[in-house]
Amino acid sequence: SQTIHQWPATLVQPVGSPLSLECTVEGTSNPNLYWYRQAAGRGLQLLFYSVGIGQISSEVPQNLSASRPQDRQFILSSKKLLLSDSGFYLCAWSASLGDQPQHFGDGTRLSIL
Amino acid sequence: LAKTTQPISMDSYEGQEVNITCSHNNIATNDYITWYQQFPSQGPRFIIQGYKTKVTNEVASLFIPADRKSSTLSLPRVSLSDTAVYYCLVGDLSSASKIIFGSGTRLSIRP
Repeated sequence: SQTIHQWPATLVQPVGSPLSLECTVEGTSNPNLYWYRQAAGRGLQLLFYSVGIGQISSEVPQNLSASRPQDRQFILSSKKLLLSDSGFYLCAWSASLGDQPQHFGDGTRLSIL
Repeated sequence: LAKTTQPISMDSYEGQEVNITCSHNNIATNDYITWYQQFPSQGPRFIIQGYKTKVTNEVASLFIPADRKSSTLSLPRVSLSDTAVYYCLVGDLSSASKIIFGSGTRLSIRP
């Protein structure tokens, strides 16, 4: 069966520090991969999605970036975090031919101090 | 991209049937309707998906009228553990199109 892993579960970072969140999927090949951010009490905002290695689509301009170095690995990065980057970050995957259903990881709660 | 509208919140009691309706007036021919459930500090979880008429699985039913401009998620005999946020999404399954999660419906179940 397919599984998705995100880490860390919780992260506290100072303003201006770098960020690297990792997501890996097991049990499937060539998945679509997604990074979302969710502010407290709000819906999910799609940040990036990828249909293949090295292919990244950015949905929202910001100081975050994403990379897909391997088929089942998706990384969210920042060189300098802002206070506004705080939130709940979720990675998801879907079958290669479509967007739904999407299967989500357990998320990373990021707090910027 | 079809936009969806759902009630912000709903309350019900254990053992009751709960129906959450979603409006999607601009749904396209190739769009499917998908519902997710999200508990606090967890990622959304897929519940059910359908194109038209009625779909039923072990946890819910999805009713879609002929014009497909709305859909209703039905949760039979809810329990306290069904307290969560429920999202309705509309999108084309055959392409990597953009998916937008709205604010969802916050369902609260009381004893």
